[in-house]
Amino acid sequence: GENVEQHPSTLSVQEGDSAVIKCTYSDSASNYFPWYKQELGKGPQLIIDIRSNVGEKKDQRIAVTLNKTAKHFSLHITETQPEDSAVYFCAAASGSARQLTFGSGTQLTVLP
Amino acid sequence: NAGVTQTPKFRILKIGQSMTLQCTQDMNHNYMYWYRQDPGMGLKLIYYSVGAGITDKGEVPNGYNVSRSTTEDFPLRLELAAPSQTSVYFCASSGGNNQPQHFGDGTRLSIL
Repeated sequence: GENVEQHPSTLSVQEGDSAVIKCTYSDSASNYFPWYKQELGKGPQLIIDIRSNVGEKKDQRIAVTLNKTAKHFSLHITETQPEDSAVYFCAAASGSARQLTFGSGTQLTVLP
Repeated sequence: NAGVTQTPKFRILKIGQSMTLQCTQDMNHNYMYWYRQDPGMGLKLIYYSVGAGITDKGEVPNGYNVSRSTTEDFPLRLELAAPSQTSVYFCASSGGNNQPQHFGDGTRLSIL
């Protein structure tokens, strides 16, 4: 089955700096890669996603890049703000129902 | 628009008891999923459904059962609760395999 590894597990940045979270996946059949933000006591919330036929996608301060050959994808957050502090999960989808395999999460702390 | 609603939010069970975690969505989504999240870990897929009357196992199905009699509801049943099933359970739904998954806020279950 699919295996997704995520690094780093914790990340602290100063407000205004950039944050980068990296994930690798094992199944070359995976074709959809979402990123979720999870705040304490809440369910995961989709922040951006990318399909396997696209190399990069950007939405305001958030961008995701995908390298299918190397089987890795990354989340980039620019101009970080304290409200960006949360746990971020990457995931890879495969199968007819687009079942998700999640990474283990990154606790991002933005220091004011 | 309520989205995905999970009940109860919290529950404590004794070993050997049974219970049903409820999940309902009002987005007319055909695809629904159950995940569990252990402390400091990513989500793992328990069961999923691509439509009423159709269910299939995910990565960690042992000790759980599901049914899908309507498009809106996807209950998860624990028959003989074990301490290893202490976790946070998330339900998600999707409009199809080209659509993102939307999550509820979870049920926090402790088995003592």
